[in-house]
Amino acid sequence: DIQMTQSPSSLSASVGDRVTITCRASQYISTFLNWYQQKPGKAPKLLIYGATSLQSGVPSRFSGSGSGTDFTFSITSLQPEDFATYYCQQSHTTPDTFGQGTKLELK
Amino acid sequence: QVQLVQSGSELKKPGASVKVSCKASGYTFSNYPMNWVRQAPGQGLEWMGRINTNTGNPTYAQGFTGRFVLSLDTSVSTAYLQISSLKAEDTAVYYCARGLSGGWFDPWGQGALVTVSS
Repeated sequence: DIQMTQSPSSLSASVGDRVTITCRASQYISTFLNWYQQKPGKAPKLLIYGATSLQSGVPSRFSGSGSGTDFTFSITSLQPEDFATYYCQQSHTTPDTFGQGTKLELK
Repeated sequence: QVQLVQSGSELKKPGASVKVSCKASGYTFSNYPMNWVRQAPGQGLEWMGRINTNTGNPTYAQGFTGRFVLSLDTSVSTAYLQISSLKAEDTAVYYCARGLSGGWFDPWGQGALVTVSS
């Protein structure tokens, strides 16, 4: 199975900050990398697909980059509603696998 | 709008079975696979498997074979996850999620909490 390693596992930031999360795949996955946001008690929500494409309706302060094995996810100008847990997911090879998550907390 | 609505929370005793449903609306059900994802309390997301909604053919992740069965009723655009011989460690929220062309999941159902306790 392809292992997805996310870092950091947690992150403290303030409203207005820029934050970056990284996700590394144990094997080549091209751009089959997706990012989700999950708030407590809620289902995950797709933010970025295909490593760089913004899902419809998602604010442009969210972005993704990378290909191959190394990927980044960024949020510019954090808003109060952005404090949540973020997961990467590879969809290149079955079984699909998720990173362990990054909990973004208010400093 | 595209929507997945799951059945409600379940409390089951060890050894029992449970069947979670996921009803799709707003799109052609048989055009997209349905994925299932488990989230144990306080833990991350774990892909369990997916079912081809055109052929009914399921694919399971390792660790989700034997006691876990994915099925469909295409007449009512509904996917099912059945778990038999429940154990305490099956306590989790189970999500269904539509699979799209590049393998991303959107949307997700609201989740179904299954609690296994004597």
